[in-house]
Amino acid sequence: SAVISQKPSRDICQRGTSLTIQCQVDSQVTMMFWYRQQPGQSLTLIATANQGSEATYESGFVIDKFPISRPNLTFSTLTVSNMSPEDSSIYLCSVRTGAEGAQHFGDGTRLSIL
Amino acid sequence: GIQVEQSPPDLILQEGANSTLRCNFSDSVNNLQWFHQNPWGQLINLFYIPSGTKQNGRLSATTVATERYSLLYISSSQTTDSGVYFCAVPQTSGSRLTFGEGTQLTVNP
Repeated sequence: SAVISQKPSRDICQRGTSLTIQCQVDSQVTMMFWYRQQPGQSLTLIATANQGSEATYESGFVIDKFPISRPNLTFSTLTVSNMSPEDSSIYLCSVRTGAEGAQHFGDGTRLSIL
Repeated sequence: GIQVEQSPPDLILQEGANSTLRCNFSDSVNNLQWFHQNPWGQLINLFYIPSGTKQNGRLSATTVATERYSLLYISSSQTTDSGVYFCAVPQTSGSRLTFGEGTQLTVNP
């Protein structure tokens, strides 16, 4: 399975600011996914990051709030913009690898907004 | 889209006990994954199991695709098994995962 590194692992931010989360994979992957997990909740997909094209956002998530970059097949970033306390969540990067196509996750970024 | 339901939502065990967690899904799927989220938030792959039975140490999983459910068995539970267990299925072939609401497991010493 792929090794997925996310940075930062956690942060505490002021409302109104923005934070960029990085996701690095040790092998080339076609699709990378960004999920959000609000406190006490399950995981919800924010968007699929495709190399060479714009990200595909799920209902309820917009590019202005969660801009995503995918400059190559091993790296992606998610920015959480103009943060409010409601954005306090764990953000996780995921990739599909192997013949089975199982998904694997990074360790997540635990974000708290004051 | 496919709906995923997990039961029970919460489970408290004494160390050494066995347990069974269930995942029901509303339509045919071509794969299913079980994850364990530890208290630090890390999401660990347990099984990729579209059908049949797999075992890994004290854990095993069975998926009966024709009846649209999967079971995760934990035997001789340990305190380190505590956390949230999620099952997840893809909405369409090869696409993103839809997660159930999870089972919060607490194993007491």
